[in-house]
Formats: sequence, structure tokens, C-alpha cells
Amino acid sequence: GESVGLHLPTLSVQEGDNSIINCAYSNSASDYFIWYKQESGKGPQFIIDIRSNMDKRQGQRVTVLLNKTVKHLSLQIAATQPGDSAVYFCADRGGSNYKLTFGKGTLLTVNP
Amino acid sequence: SAVISQKPSRDICQRGTSLTIQCQVDSQVTMMFWYRQQPGQSLTLIATANQGSEATYESGFVIDKFPISRPNLTFSTLTVSNMSPEDSSIYLCSVVSRAGYTFGSGTRLTVV
Repeated sequence: GESVGLHLPTLSVQEGDNSIINCAYSNSASDYFIWYKQESGKGPQFIIDIRSNMDKRQGQRVTVLLNKTVKHLSLQIAATQPGDSAVYFCADRGGSNYKLTFGKGTLLTVNP
Repeated sequence: SAVISQKPSRDICQRGTSLTIQCQVDSQVTMMFWYRQQPGQSLTLIATANQGSEATYESGFVIDKFPISRPNLTFSTLTVSNMSPEDSSIYLCSVVSRAGYTFGSGTRLTVV
């Protein structure tokens, strides 16, 4: 992920809309990417992952897209629900040392 | 996925004192990491906890300030030494298992 900033980007959507959260990473050697959801007072919770040999992966209501050319990752949430309100982080693994680098995070607010 | 128990969940400490945070995993794991999450920010890797040897610290983090122990494959501790208000953060333990990367619920530390 990119270097950490002081303010989280925010995304506000209406319940039922689709949400798209974006992330840029800087390490061209990264081979594995993860999206996490973090609710207030909790640790990051795994949502979906993708390996560098893929450009799309789908889960339940979530899709991750990977564009290695521009080092960009996105998370799409279909039919967003109030329970989806949280901070979302992307993370990338840069090599064989298993260390993850986290992006800035995006605060998603779902309005009923 | 691996289940992580992290203690304490929160604490308020006086400046100049030290706090030791424990991370217990319900299964043996090879890789364990400690992260810091400053208020409103993303996660930053402090160090990799190595079983039976000294931890591997990231740039900006030193053993004297953040001593780490890892006596076996299921347990690690992180100590925040000689604390100052700038150490007020969430500290998170993370492990890598067959199920992927899992995080503990974190320790919310406030230094007064």
C-alpha cells in the first residue's frame, strides 16, 4: 500500500447501492493482495484476496479487481448494507517474507 | 482460520511505564507479526516475531523500545517500554496460517 496519511478517505452510499473502494500499491513485486474490513474497536477482518496471476475474483457480494499495469486494486460491494459500514484496507505482500503493507484505508458509511 | 487471543484489550498507562501485550494462538503458526495502528491511521508493521531468536524490526522501530518475545509457535509478547503519549495506539498481533493472514482484536493503549 501507499504511505500512511493523516486522514482517511471517505465514501458515503445509500443502502442498496453498489460501493467501489479503490487502493493503489507501490511494490511491483507484490504477488498477493488482501482486502480487510475493520469495525470500530475490532481488528481487521479478512474479506477477500487475490493473487497476482489473476485480475478478478468474486466472493459473496464482493468482487476484487487487480490491475497490475497501474498497480491498482479495487473492492466492489454489491447491494451495500448498513452492516458494511466500516474502514476498509487493502494490503499487499511484497515477496517471500510474508510481510504485508497496508494502504491508507477508506471509511465506508452506508446510509439507510 | 487461526483464533487469536490478545490481552489486554485496552489499558490506560502512565508515561514512563511499560506495558506487555500478550498474543496467544490456538494452533502452531510459523509467522507472527506485531502492528501499530495510530489513531485514524492505517496499520504499520513493527516487527516479525521469530520463534527462538530475536525479532526482526522494521525501519523506525527498535528492540529497546518494543522488546518482543516468542518462546514457542503459539505465543508472543510485545512490550511498549518507557511510554509517552505518542505511543497511544492500537497494537495488533497477526499470524499466518493455512487459512491466510489473521489479526487479533488489538490492544487499545492510552498513555497519560
